[in-house]
Amino acid sequence: DTEVTQTPKHLVMGMTNKKSLKCEQHMGHRAMYWYKQKAKKPPELMFVYSYEKLSINESVPSRFSPECPNSSLLNLHLHALQPEDSALYLCASSQKRSWSVDQPQHFGDGTRLSIL
Amino acid sequence: GENVEQHPSTLSVQEGDSAVIKCTYSDSASNYFPWYKQELGKGPQLIIDIRSNVGEKKDQRIAVTLNKTAKHFSLHITETQPEDSAVYFCAGGTAGNKLTFGGGTRVLVKP
Repeated sequence: DTEVTQTPKHLVMGMTNKKSLKCEQHMGHRAMYWYKQKAKKPPELMFVYSYEKLSINESVPSRFSPECPNSSLLNLHLHALQPEDSALYLCASSQKRSWSVDQPQHFGDGTRLSIL
Repeated sequence: GENVEQHPSTLSVQEGDSAVIKCTYSDSASNYFPWYKQELGKGPQLIIDIRSNVGEKKDQRIAVTLNKTAKHFSLHITETQPEDSAVYFCAGGTAGNKLTFGGGTRVLVKP
C-alpha cells in the first residue's frame, strides 16, 4: 500500500464534463506533484506545489486546473478534456528542505482517466 | 533542460542471473538520481537513489553506480527473481523539485 492516496482509481468522462482528481498524503510533505503517464511511457511532470503554492507549471493546457487547499491535499480539476488526455494521472509528494531536488518523491497508484 | 536516456528498453534474464540498466544524463547540474520500479496497475515505487557526492550505493540485491564525469549511472540487480519483473525508470533531478525520467526498461525474469 502506498502512503499517497489517489481517488478515484478509474474515471470515464465525456469531453463536456467537469470532474476532479484527488490526492492525499499524511507524511508531512510540503511538496506535491501531478504527473501524466501515457501507456509504455515515463511519467511527465505537469505541476509542482511547494508549501501550497504553485511553483512549476510545465505549460499544461488550461483545461487542467490544479489546486492545493492545504498541506495534505492536492486536486486536479478537469474540464473540456480531449481524447488525447486519456492517461494515468499520478500524484507524488516529497519533503521540501531546500531549493535542491534531492528528496525522494513518493507516488500514488494513480487515476486511470478515459475521455470518450 | 535535462535529458535522460535509458538502455535497454527491454531486458530478459534467467532467474538467478544479474540485470543491468544504464542511463545517461545531459545536465551537469543534476545532483539526484532515483530509480523507480513500476508494476502493472501501480504507481512508480522508489527502490534506490543516489546523490551526486556518492559513487556507489547498495541495498541487498540492488546497487546503483554513478559516474559524474561521464554523466552516467547504472542499476544492478543480482540474483534476479520472478517478482523483479516490472518496468524500471531512472531519473535525474535538478533544482526546483523537478525530475526528468528515462524512457523505461521492461524487465522480464524467466523462471
